[in-house]
Amino acid sequence: AQSVTQLDSQVPVFEEAPVELRCNYSSSVSVYLFWYVQYPNQGLQLLLKYLSGSTLVKGINGFEAEFNKSQTSFHLRKPSVHISDTAEYFCAVRYNNNDMRFGAGTRLTVKP
Amino acid sequence: DAGVTQSPTHLIKTRGQHVTLRCSPISGHKSVSWYQQVLGQGPQFIFQYYEKEERGRGNFPDRFSARQFPNYSSELNVNALLLGDSALYLCASSLAYTDTQYFGPGTRLTVL
Repeated sequence: AQSVTQLDSQVPVFEEAPVELRCNYSSSVSVYLFWYVQYPNQGLQLLLKYLSGSTLVKGINGFEAEFNKSQTSFHLRKPSVHISDTAEYFCAVRYNNNDMRFGAGTRLTVKP
Repeated sequence: DAGVTQSPTHLIKTRGQHVTLRCSPISGHKSVSWYQQVLGQGPQFIFQYYEKEERGRGNFPDRFSARQFPNYSSELNVNALLLGDSALYLCASSLAYTDTQYFGPGTRLTVL
């Protein structure tokens, strides 16, 4: 079955520290990968996407993610977080049958 | 350009009632998808429409239906509401049905 697993439901981190949010997905022939951020009482905003090409993808707000096909992972990273990065982050995978699956989300809390 | 818009923002219904949610895609986008996001979970795919035809359907009961209009806006209808239908309903639009999806702010449905 096609599934997306976000390995950490909550990640607390201090301001200016680095952070990594982990995402694994069930393997398929080809996938497109996405990270979205959701602020309280809002919809989802696209952070970055991997469609093809370089496995290191840079997105908005200083975030980047690396696609690892052998490990079926797409972890999100930021070298130095800000208080304003506090939000829910969702990893999403579009499988080759156009089925779009989301992970359960990771709550990132940045503390001063 | 305006983003994806959804109406209403909030809605309160009682069990057994019917509800209609509306979505207007980004100008030029021809595909609309609907998702249900229950509190504390990731979005779950309900429907995708492209050029007024259904292109995908998630694992939801027949009480859920949708349609897309000639101007590419869309409606999601839910009949015989249950308490478990309480959720944030998200609409996403894309240029074509395989393209990156951009989300609206959502409609918060509460069923009492």
